[in-house]
Amino acid sequence: KNEVEQSPQNLTAQEGEFITINCSYSVGISALHWLQQHPGGGIVSLFMLSSGKKKHGRLIATINIQEKHSSLHITASHPRDSAVYICAVTSGGGNQFYFGTGTSLTVIP
Amino acid sequence: DADVTQTPRNRITKTGKRIMLECSQTKGHDRMYWYRQDPGLGLRLIYYSFDVKDINKGEISDGYSVSRQAQAKFSLSLESAIPNQTALYFCATSDRRQDPYNEQFFGPGTRLTVL
Repeated sequence: KNEVEQSPQNLTAQEGEFITINCSYSVGISALHWLQQHPGGGIVSLFMLSSGKKKHGRLIATINIQEKHSSLHITASHPRDSAVYICAVTSGGGNQFYFGTGTSLTVIP
Repeated sequence: DADVTQTPRNRITKTGKRIMLECSQTKGHDRMYWYRQDPGLGLRLIYYSFDVKDINKGEISDGYSVSRQAQAKFSLSLESAIPNQTALYFCATSDRRQDPYNEQFFGPGTRLTVL
């Protein structure tokens, strides 16, 4: 059983659509991370959350600690948002890390 | 300049060859990690180091070894490469001293193909 589960695995959207990617986890965490991986491989951190909600531009991340669930929302999606989005959690007092398998997003013009 | 660099970026080798992948960081972080990424499996931890004298196995360390030559350098070796080690390899760093959430910063990746 994976400690971090993401859904959907693949997502295709039309430009301008509102997108939601979900992440559920089964371990106690100190933080949850949303990462973005563009074609070509590089991984960058989008958000780090321990509670509540964060917003950067068109991206919004929320976390519900009680339900062990997080969502990443993209408003007014654009083709440049096409990437793999990875959910990861820090656990064990910061000494353990678990990664989801990623959600591959394609935004069509 | 990138804070976390990996060399080489791409490598094609043959079964049985010894390969070394290198990672350097200028972030001053104490912790360094090696991951491999395979389609559909996500990132899996190979080895991690919390400081120069502390090396730990991850979930898939068999067939790999590492060396932490300095705080800024962490190398991954495949002693005798085999085709199922074909993957994308990432180095990452974090700093537990400054960041209690231990956010990780990734290098650009090394695409390794073993024929």
